[in-house]
Amino acid sequence: QLQLQESGPGLVKASETLSLTCTVSGDSLTSTNYYWAWIRQPPGRGLQWVGIISYSGRAYYNASLKSRVTISLDTSKTHFSLRLSSVTVADTAVYYCARDPLAGQFDYWGQGTLVTVSS
Amino acid sequence: DIVMTQSPDSLAVSLGERATINCKSSQTVLYSSNSQNYLAWYQQKPGQPPKLLIYWASTRESGVPDRFSGSGSGTDFTLTISSLQAEDVAVYYCQQYYTTPMYTFGQGTKLEI
Repeated sequence: QLQLQESGPGLVKASETLSLTCTVSGDSLTSTNYYWAWIRQPPGRGLQWVGIISYSGRAYYNASLKSRVTISLDTSKTHFSLRLSSVTVADTAVYYCARDPLAGQFDYWGQGTLVTVSS
Repeated sequence: DIVMTQSPDSLAVSLGERATINCKSSQTVLYSSNSQNYLAWYQQKPGQPPKLLIYWASTRESGVPDRFSGSGSGTDFTLTISSLQAEDVAVYYCQQYYTTPMYTFGQGTKLEI
C-alpha cells in the first residue's frame, strides 16, 4: 500500500527558506509510471499546485513561485523534497505531497503538514 | 494559465437529493487527438487531504460510490451526486491537467446538508 508522509519544520521565519521532505513507501520514486508533486493550501483556502518532478529528476514549477522553488528527488532514500526560499506570511499553508500517475490527476496524497511563516 | 471557476461557492442540499457542482475552464481542456477531457474532481473533508473522485471528466476512481458522476466537455463540466449522503459533506475541487505537467485547481465548492 502506497504511503506518502510529509516532514519538516512547522515554523519558518520570514525571508528564510522552507524545506520539506516527502517520504514514499510502497513504491519506487524511479518508477517510470509516476511523477511526484507538491500542492499547498493556505488556511481556509483552496489548493495551489506548487510543482512536480519526474522519475528522471526533471522539475516543473508554478510560474508564480518559479524563482523561489526547487524540487529534488533522492531515489536512494525514497524521498523527494521541496525548498521555497525568501518566504513570506503568504506562504503559510498546509503542504501536501502527492503522486501523479502520468495522466495528470493526483491519486495518492500525504496527510499534509502545516508550515507557518512568522514575521 | 487556464483558470478554473467553480459555481456555486457553496450549496446546501437535503439528504437523498441531487447535488450539482459546476466547473468552467477559461479555455478548452479537451485534447482533440485523443478526445479526452483533462479534468479531475476531488473531495476534501475537514482535516483530510483531497481524495480523487473522477478523472478524464467522467471516469470514477476505484472505490468511489456510483452516486458520484462527472460530465461535460470542452470548457464546461459538472460533478453530480445523485442522492446526497451525510458523509458527502465536503469541499469539492475541479482540476485541469490539459497543461500537464502544470496544473490548476478551481476555488472549491462547499457542500452542506
